Amino acid sequence: GQNIDQPTEMTATEGAIVQINCTYQTSGFNGLFWYQQHAGEAPTFLSYNVLDGLEEKGRFSSFLSRSKGYSYLLLKELQMKDSASYLCAPEADRGSTLGRLYFGRGTQLTVWP
Amino acid sequence: EPEVTQTPSHQVTQMGQEVILRCVPISNHLYFYWYRQILGQKVEFLVSFYNNEISEKSEIFDDQFSVERPDGSNFTLKIRSTKLEDSAMYFCASSEGGTDTQYFGPGTRLTVL
Repeated sequence: GQNIDQPTEMTATEGAIVQINCTYQTSGFNGLFWYQQHAGEAPTFLSYNVLDGLEEKGRFSSFLSRSKGYSYLLLKELQMKDSASYLCAPEADRGSTLGRLYFGRGTQLTVWP
Repeated sequence: EPEVTQTPSHQVTQMGQEVILRCVPISNHLYFYWYRQILGQKVEFLVSFYNNEISEKSEIFDDQFSVERPDGSNFTLKIRSTKLEDSAMYFCASSEGGTDTQYFGPGTRLTVL
């Protein structure tokens, strides 16, 4: 089975930094994706971690610890348009089920002016 | 930039009717997926498809559901006899490889009355 835990809601102000944590337990694991989803829209890809450590991509960074079943998404220099739901999505091990994503409930981030 | 497209954007149907949701994956992608998201809930995996056959399906994907790649570009999800609880946003996704990034289409909002 799988269990994905991330905070339901977070708030921050423009220009600030926010860290969204995710812990997961999955029956097989290959890597972990973070997606952004605005209300009523499709998830859009933000980052992918397969090795332990930090992946930086502009204002967004993502960290993974495979041994701890833990990841976080770091958003810097927050902008109003960053208000969205952020989805932690561990990916099943390719030896068992190719490419299946398990999504958490998402963290609804609200950025205030 | 290539993107996944889905039609229709909205579909309203009566309970018991059949619906077909259509997707055009990104042209060089080989792996196709359907996910659904009931309003206010998490994104849930339905099925993955590769090499003209189902790779994996979830417990949600029962005998009422089927998928098909009728030609070189379309990928369809059919629900044979819709139920009220099938009302959801249905997302198609595609990836180049089995564990590569999955790119999501804009979704079809299905409402069953």
